[in-house]
Amino acid sequence: AQKITQTQPGMFVQEKEAVTLDCTYDTSDPSYGLFWYKQPSSGEMIFLIYQGSYDQQNATEGRYSLNFQKARKSANLVISASQLGDSAMYFCAMRAHNSGNTPLVFGKGTRLSVIA
Amino acid sequence: DAGVTQSPTHLIKTRGQQVTLRCSPKSGHDTVSWYQQALGQGPQFIFQYYEEEERQRGNFPDRFSGHQFPNYSSELNVNALLLGDSALYLCASSLVGGGADTGELFFGEGSRLTVL
Repeated sequence: AQKITQTQPGMFVQEKEAVTLDCTYDTSDPSYGLFWYKQPSSGEMIFLIYQGSYDQQNATEGRYSLNFQKARKSANLVISASQLGDSAMYFCAMRAHNSGNTPLVFGKGTRLSVIA
Repeated sequence: DAGVTQSPTHLIKTRGQQVTLRCSPKSGHDTVSWYQQALGQGPQFIFQYYEEEERQRGNFPDRFSGHQFPNYSSELNVNALLLGDSALYLCASSLVGGGADTGELFFGEGSRLTVL
């Protein structure tokens, strides 16, 4: 079975600063995908970034980067130059077998608050 | 290009009643998955529909059932509602056989169910 652990219930960051949201995972499957989603108060889960277990380089998408440490089973999200609009819940998720139709397993999330 | 749409956005029911939630997938997607997100938790996978059949199911009782129509839209039905069924119900659409890279899983804004 897969498990995602997010140990930070809430984080604060000053506008324009960088912030790291922690995520550790557990799986016995050699092939898996790791995801980060943003959930604003509207409820919609917005995809941010993806990392495949066999990817050699850390994923980046604009201001988002994923610090993938396979031996440590961690997949931390780094948000650079934080903006007020980044305030939201952030969820780390994974799927085993890394097939497009395998369900996602989510962590409990981290609430990020960006301060002006 | 319309994304995933869900209805209703909010609803209130009493214990023992039945509820039906609806989802229209993103244009071009043929697979619909449903997730339950309790307050303060990450989403949990309920089940997935493809070609009008339930293909995968999470750890949810038979009170939770679904349907997919020929136009790929889907319904989630919950019978004999319990207080613990209060949650945000998220629908996600994808394309079967889609590649391992994400972006092919899109979420709606959810239906918030309150059971009194």
